[in-house]
Amino acid sequence: SAVISQKPSRDICQRGTSLTIQCQVDSQVTMMFWYRQQPGQSLTLIATANQGSEATYESGFVIDKFPISRPNLTFSTLTVSNMSPEDSSIYLCSVARGVNTEAFFGQGTRLTVV
Amino acid sequence: AQSVTQLGSHVSVSEGALVLLRCNYSSSVPPYLFWYVQYPNQGLQLLLKYTSAATLVKGINGFEAEFKKSETSFHLTKPSAHMSDAAEYFCAVRLEETSGSRLTFGEGTQLTVNP
Repeated sequence: SAVISQKPSRDICQRGTSLTIQCQVDSQVTMMFWYRQQPGQSLTLIATANQGSEATYESGFVIDKFPISRPNLTFSTLTVSNMSPEDSSIYLCSVARGVNTEAFFGQGTRLTVV
Repeated sequence: AQSVTQLGSHVSVSEGALVLLRCNYSSSVPPYLFWYVQYPNQGLQLLLKYTSAATLVKGINGFEAEFKKSETSFHLTKPSAHMSDAAEYFCAVRLEETSGSRLTFGEGTQLTVNP
């Protein structure tokens, strides 16, 4: 398993502002991902965070809106930019030790945009 | 494209009764399948996984699931429900053969356990 720490755990933000979410893992992992869980819905993969290079985004998600950094094998950030109420969701960090190993999830960041 | 369908967004059982949560998948690559549980205000916890070994998979908390290729199903069961099993359950399948940890999720099933 992996111990994943996400900060902040929750936040209420004004529309038009940006929020950066941090994901820290207790040991090095190969894969890191960011998911979004909209209210009452399932999880959708936003992007794969690649160490030392640009993240790989899924269809419907763009770097300008969700810039991602991954400076090393234990840390990543997701920024939600120019927020609107539609961005109110839970954002979850997920990690895996290998390409074909199970994924573990952080506790999530509960974001409300007003 | 890979996808999962969970039949029943809400399932309600009595304490001590059988739990059956249904999941059907569609995958163009050999499937890796997972069940996760999400308790209120928490992240996801892995219950069990199928990665092409035994078709009957045992997980934590007394849950198990059986992979049936002919039915493209991976239903989750528990013989006797406990109050603490009340949570949201998600079935997931890997998106591609080269990354078993990139997942697409079903819509989730909310399990209620009645005393």
